[in-house]
Amino acid sequence: DQQVKQNSPSLSVQEGRISILNCDYTNSMFDYFLWYKKYPAEGPTFLISISSIKDKNEDGRFTVFLNKSAKHLSLHIVPSQPGDSAVYFCAARDSGNTPLVFGKGTRLSVIA
Amino acid sequence: DGGITQSPKYLFRKEGQNVTLSCEQNLNHDAMYWYRQDPGQGLRLIYYSQIVNDFQKGDIAEGYSVSREKKESFPLTVTSAQKNPTAFYLCATGLPYGYTFGSGTRLTVV
Repeated sequence: DQQVKQNSPSLSVQEGRISILNCDYTNSMFDYFLWYKKYPAEGPTFLISISSIKDKNEDGRFTVFLNKSAKHLSLHIVPSQPGDSAVYFCAARDSGNTPLVFGKGTRLSVIA
Repeated sequence: DGGITQSPKYLFRKEGQNVTLSCEQNLNHDAMYWYRQDPGQGLRLIYYSQIVNDFQKGDIAEGYSVSREKKESFPLTVTSAQKNPTAFYLCATGLPYGYTFGSGTRLTVV
C-alpha cells in the first residue's frame, strides 16, 4: 500500500503564477516531511521540509503547508519560473531511524 | 568538496549478466540507500545500510545484492535474477532529516 500519495502526475502553470503541488499520507506516525526536485537524468535535490510540530515553512518562493488532521501537505511556488519545470517528490519519515518514503512524483511544467 | 559519487552514469547489461553499480561518499554519513526510479513509479527502496557490515532489504530487494565493507562505499549488484533491471538507479546518503543523492546510473538491458 502506498503511504505517500501524489495524485496528480502532472501540472502545467503559466510563468509568474502560483504552482500548488499536493501530497497525502496515510501513516499517522510520520513526523517529518520533505520535498525534492528532480531534473531528468539527475539525482533529486532537497527543496524544503517541515516538521509535524509546524503547519507552515517558508523559504523564498517556496512554502510548504501541513494539515495533520487531513494528513495532507502542499508545496506552493510563487511566482513560478520556467526553471522550476521538473518532477517534484514528496517524502516522509516516521520518528524512528527508517528510510524516507517517497511519493510517485508530480511533473511540473512552467510555461513562459 | 564533500559529496556522493555514482558510477558509471550509463551501463548496459546483457541478458544473464550480473553488473555492479558503484556508490561512494565522503560526507561521513553512516546511512546509505539505493533507490530505483521507473516512469510513473516514483522512488522505490531496494536496500539500505545504517552501519558498516549491516544492511536491510527494502521494498524491492529481489534480484539485487549489496555489501557495506567500508563506510564510504555501498555498491549494488544487479543479478541475473532481476527480471526487469532497466531503470534509473539512485544512491543516497542520509541524516535523519534528509538525504543527499548521487547523480544516478541509467542501466539498460541489451
